[in-house]
Amino acid sequence: TQLLEQSPQFLSIQEGENLTVYCNSSSVFSSLQWYRQEPGEGPVLLVTVVTGGEVKKLKRLTFQFGDARKDSSLHITAAQPGDTGLYLCAGAPGNQFYFGTGTSLTVIP
Amino acid sequence: EAQVTQNPRYLITVTGKKLTVTCSQNMNHEYMSWYRQDPGLGLRQIYYSMNVEVTDKGDVPEGYKVSRKEKRNFPLILESPSPNQTSLYFCASSPYHPRGADTQYFGPGTRLTVL
Repeated sequence: TQLLEQSPQFLSIQEGENLTVYCNSSSVFSSLQWYRQEPGEGPVLLVTVVTGGEVKKLKRLTFQFGDARKDSSLHITAAQPGDTGLYLCAGAPGNQFYFGTGTSLTVIP
Repeated sequence: EAQVTQNPRYLITVTGKKLTVTCSQNMNHEYMSWYRQDPGLGLRQIYYSMNVEVTDKGDVPEGYKVSRKEKRNFPLILESPSPNQTSLYFCASSPYHPRGADTQYFGPGTRLTVL
């Protein structure tokens, strides 16, 4: 059982469509991070959410932290082919750091 | 340029032959960590270090050793590699523990195959 469960695992959409990725846990996190990873490269941090209920926007990407700090979501508006990649949520309920199961997104031109 | 470097990038070895994967960061970060990434299992933490001479187990430490004798370096040691350690390995560093919302910077990865 993974500490951070993401859904969906795979997502293939047309350019211009909207999508939402979910990250859920039974544990409480002081903060959650979202990363994006390209094939063969290390993950790159997109955003960190810290406060329960917080909403952060990064251009067409909107990140939300659940009120109870156990879950988070990533919403992409008008997806573009450049958004293609593996999206990972991550956090540390204690000292160990955990990554989510990942969502592989493909945006078709 | 601020970066995390790993060597080697690719390694094919045989069961039982000791190996070391080096990791170095030039950002004066306190926190360093090793992860392995496997299909279907995602990224899992092997070991982490909060500071020099301070290391602790992550989620999957069995079969691995680490040391942190100086701030910039955090080598990963496989004393007797086995085929189930075939994986993509990433080293990462951050100013302090990423639980406090610090950014983790990742190295380019080391693809290890144990025959």
